[in-house]
Amino acid sequence: DIQMTQSPSSVSASVGDRVTITCRASQGISSWLAWYQQKPGKAPKLLIYAASSLQSGVPSRFSGSGSGTDFTLTISSLQPEDFATYYCQQANSFLLGFGPGTKVDIK
Amino acid sequence: QLQLQESGPGLVKPSETLSLTCTVSGGSISSSSYYWGWIRQPPGKGLEWIGSIYYSGSTYYNPSLKSRVTISVDTSKNQFSLKLSSVTAADTAVYYCARRVVIVGAFDIWGQGTMVTVSS
Repeated sequence: DIQMTQSPSSVSASVGDRVTITCRASQGISSWLAWYQQKPGKAPKLLIYAASSLQSGVPSRFSGSGSGTDFTLTISSLQPEDFATYYCQQANSFLLGFGPGTKVDIK
Repeated sequence: QLQLQESGPGLVKPSETLSLTCTVSGGSISSSSYYWGWIRQPPGKGLEWIGSIYYSGSTYYNPSLKSRVTISVDTSKNQFSLKLSSVTAADTAVYYCARRVVIVGAFDIWGQGTMVTVSS
């Protein structure tokens, strides 16, 4: 199985800050990596697919990069609505997996 | 636009079988472009992929749950279903159904989720 890790597990930030979240796969997954945002009581929302492609309707302040085993999600200027938990997900094989999540909260 | 809606009992007794259905509306479940999946989230915890199914009936399960999980599809009803046997309190979670795009591997549309509690 491919294991996913994320760091940090939580981050406190202010509106306007640049926030970077890292996701690492236990083996190479090419660009088969997605990022999701989840707010309390809501279903996850797809932000990024194929490591760096922005899902339709997602603000351009979100960006993704990486390939192989190391990936990053960057929020260029944090907005009030961005306080949430972020998950990465690998799709390199038919057996999928999510990272443990990174909570972004208000500093 | 396409929507997914989970349905099923909110309370299941220990050792029994959890059964949920996801109804797809606004589009066809028989599209070759998508898989259909189940994901769960225990209270206060992260997301866990349970399994996926293709409209043809091909299934893929999380190895940690494989012995207890069955996912099936009913194309005539535009639905797919989850059965999880021998449940314990550890299976208490919000269960989501979602659509996964074949060519990118990501879940682009999700249901709202349904809370299932395992308790006597």
